[in-house]
Amino acid sequence: GESVGLHLPTLSVQEGDNSIINCAYSNSASDYFIWYKQESGKGPQFIIDIRSNMDKRQGQRVTVLLNKTVKHLSLQIAATQPGDSAVYFCAESLTTDSWGKFQFGAGTQVVVTP
Amino acid sequence: NAGVTQTPKFRVLKTGQSMTLLCAQDMNHEYMYWYRQDPGMGLRLIHYSVGEGTTAKGEVPDGYNVSRLKKQNFLLGLESAAPSQTSVYFCASSRNRTYLNTEAFFGQGTRLTVV
Repeated sequence: GESVGLHLPTLSVQEGDNSIINCAYSNSASDYFIWYKQESGKGPQFIIDIRSNMDKRQGQRVTVLLNKTVKHLSLQIAATQPGDSAVYFCAESLTTDSWGKFQFGAGTQVVVTP
Repeated sequence: NAGVTQTPKFRVLKTGQSMTLLCAQDMNHEYMYWYRQDPGMGLRLIHYSVGEGTTAKGEVPDGYNVSRLKKQNFLLGLESAAPSQTSVYFCASSRNRTYLNTEAFFGQGTRLTVV
């Protein structure tokens, strides 16, 4: 989930298990959402996106769920692997804005244990 | 295909010094952004540009200036560096809103330390 402090929330997952990462977004008018993965020392990488006219979208080993009623996003990773260890954060955007502003959450640290 | 390239990757500055961070993208993207990332916090937008010759302020613009003289380049300047500007800086670019997928592509980051 979100963090406003210096320490990111951490999710420890055993290799092979499924991971669920949560995100609460702030703007009820946001209509486009993205999950990013950031490995140590690297820039954020796009994982999956979803538009507000959908409540679920699946990718390769990942599923994003959107609950607009409570302004909540989740990212599910199936069969978590060591390479999935990273910080995951969500971003929200309002596509009707004249420019592409993304509002990012603080992130969740995922640690995959053998 | 290089994507988004930032230079330099690391830099140490003394308080009061100036420097420019360069961001280059080869995807013909209209939108470009500069973010800073601090421990335990999300990415915060410093400045952005919606096209060549345009710039605008983001959430935390104070102490920074930007220029977008060419579509592929977005420069971030620190005129007089302060320790509070110690951070990791990320540049990103994205296509304009006429495309279905508008995700931002990020550079590898510049780790700046101001002493």
